[in-house]
Amino acid sequence: NAGVTQTPKFQVLKTGQSMTLQCAQDMNHEYMSWYRQDPGMGLRLIHYSVGAGITDQGEVPNGYNVSRSTTEDFPLRLLSAAPSQTSVYFCASSDSEKLFFGSGTQLSVL
Amino acid sequence: RKEVEQDPGPFNVPEGATVAFNCTYSNSASQSFFWYRQDCRKEPKLLMSVYSSGNEDGRFTAQLNRASQYISLLIRDSKLSDSATYLCVVPRNPGFQKLVFGTGTRLLVSP
Repeated sequence: NAGVTQTPKFQVLKTGQSMTLQCAQDMNHEYMSWYRQDPGMGLRLIHYSVGAGITDQGEVPNGYNVSRSTTEDFPLRLLSAAPSQTSVYFCASSDSEKLFFGSGTQLSVL
Repeated sequence: RKEVEQDPGPFNVPEGATVAFNCTYSNSASQSFFWYRQDCRKEPKLLMSVYSSGNEDGRFTAQLNRASQYISLLIRDSKLSDSATYLCVVPRNPGFQKLVFGTGTRLLVSP
């Protein structure tokens, strides 16, 4: 049982480049979300989805897009990467109050 | 007051010690609370949920003080493997879609 799978694990981008962080879960969870984690700050919610076709903004959505075409997948798109988006990104899914996290993506924007 | 506030530590304790962390929260309407554990460079994992006055699971006890708006995590008989960062989490809304994470308290257990 894979749980929540995130790819890639590491990524280096140049300012202005775009990319997509992939997230897939095999637990048939309706709820999925993306967080970023920065030193000295708690995990902050970027976007979340309560089901296929439904997404909503979290507390730090600027510069990121999401879509949810299937229950399994919830990709996060960086439209034009900025150094301020250097962070560790976690995808999570849930069917209740318990979040299951992916192993994270360490992103550096130069 | 921050929505969720934790002492960052680190708390350095010897094996076998008892250690406690506090977490304060600002939303007096919050009904449920969570402690997640995060190992270095790993993803957070749920340790305990707290819905009423407290919860106990083996060596771990979580207590809730609604009047003072804090929750605590007590770890008895600390093990080396307890070394990690402990995250306090409070839902911003009743549906759990928006969780607020504290910055975490780092615990280091030494031989």
